[in-house]
Amino acid sequence: DTGVSQNPRHKITKRGQNVTFRCDPISEHNRLYWYRQTLGQGPEFLTYFQNEAQLEKSRLLSDRFSAERPKGSFSTLEIQRTEQGDSAMYLCASSGEGTPSTDTQYFGPGTRLTVL
Amino acid sequence: AQSVTQLGSHVSVSEGALVLLRCNYSSSVPPYLFWYVQYPNQGLQLLLKYTTGATLVKGINGFEAEFKKSETSFHLTKPSAHMSDAAEYFCAVSGGRRTGGFKTIFGAGTRLFVKA
Repeated sequence: DTGVSQNPRHKITKRGQNVTFRCDPISEHNRLYWYRQTLGQGPEFLTYFQNEAQLEKSRLLSDRFSAERPKGSFSTLEIQRTEQGDSAMYLCASSGEGTPSTDTQYFGPGTRLTVL
Repeated sequence: AQSVTQLGSHVSVSEGALVLLRCNYSSSVPPYLFWYVQYPNQGLQLLLKYTTGATLVKGINGFEAEFKKSETSFHLTKPSAHMSDAAEYFCAVSGGRRTGGFKTIFGAGTRLFVKA
């Protein structure tokens, strides 16, 4: 299967700890997105990469959040000094057809973060 | 700014009955519109999308949606529900050509229940 993969699938951490999630996109896709989804809500856009360049970052992303995509391949999302409000499902998606606004985003299964 | 409103957080239909999931959007530019489905413990999957051209869009699994600019709507329908259609459905809008928009805004989702 060559879909989008995310690791870990589940992460439980204590408030104040740092966590890092990884996303491996579909290999030929040059665009990568991060979203956050809380219970009962749709995914909320966090950030977007085209190749290794981070082109957009939501105001939802505080200074405690950082994302990287070295070499335009996999991406990591790090949350520093986690808070209980960070508990959510973190989704990664990739795309690579057509224009950014029309192409199909392929989503990974997500990483569920629980902050105690 | 763009936004999406999905009317009804839960919809219940009998097997074989018509499925109608409602979506209204707000956009200052011609929108690109999407419907995604999320099965339990799986990533979001694209059902269909409208970019330009024919306003009636056909997707996978027998679903279709019609873009109605005058009503700012993009409702999702399926003539006959199947038990396997039970899932969460998300309507989404992206920025369109004028903004080069890669930021996708999702609705809160509608959970579809199918009764035997």
